[in-house]
Amino acid sequence: EAGVAQSPRYKIIEKRQSVAFWCNPISGHATLYWYQQILGQGPKLLIQFQNNGVVDDSQLPKDRFSAERLKGVDSTLKIQPAKLEDSAVYLCASSLRTATYGYTFGSGTRLTVV
Amino acid sequence: KQEVTQIPAALSVPEGENLVLNCSFTDSAIYNLQWFRQDPGKGLTSLLLIQSSQREQTSGRLNASLDKSSGRSTLYIAASQPGDSATYLCAADKYGNKLVFGAGTILRVKS
Repeated sequence: EAGVAQSPRYKIIEKRQSVAFWCNPISGHATLYWYQQILGQGPKLLIQFQNNGVVDDSQLPKDRFSAERLKGVDSTLKIQPAKLEDSAVYLCASSLRTATYGYTFGSGTRLTVV
Repeated sequence: KQEVTQIPAALSVPEGENLVLNCSFTDSAIYNLQWFRQDPGKGLTSLLLIQSSQREQTSGRLNASLDKSSGRSTLYIAASQPGDSATYLCAADKYGNKLVFGAGTILRVKS
């Protein structure tokens, strides 16, 4: 089966600019996650979708970050305006229903804010 | 709030050595625990998933154990190879839908 697709792979922007990341999960996976991984740290959950509804966005900085999952398939994560501390790898993952079946992660988007 | 700690932060071993990576978590009420591998510039690859009712899981040269009562998991790698060099992450899942990760152990296997 095809994996979780993410684009772009790399992005460099100046602070205060906006940026968007795209994720296409594995077909049939109802649950989609966005994680932020800062260098030297483990990934941190930003937002979780079940189909096209938000299940958990408690750690999403809502003043600058937004995410949507149209039609319960693809998802986009946007940052506006970006700050230097947003430099990180943004990972998308999907799972069939719950973690009983494990997670599949994409390769991530590496964001550098200068 | 669940916190996950991994020790050591980095490990360098000669090829062929058996090694143990440690993971501890503060909230023992977990649904499962997972071990992942992350190669530079890549996403995470799931290695082993241990359900809360299980004590261990094995895959090839990898064996992961889980002791919920003590809040610990270990990943045992037998006969290490240079290709095993990567960052290894453990993650505790409380409800079956939310992973809390440790910071990882960076492993280097020297040939």
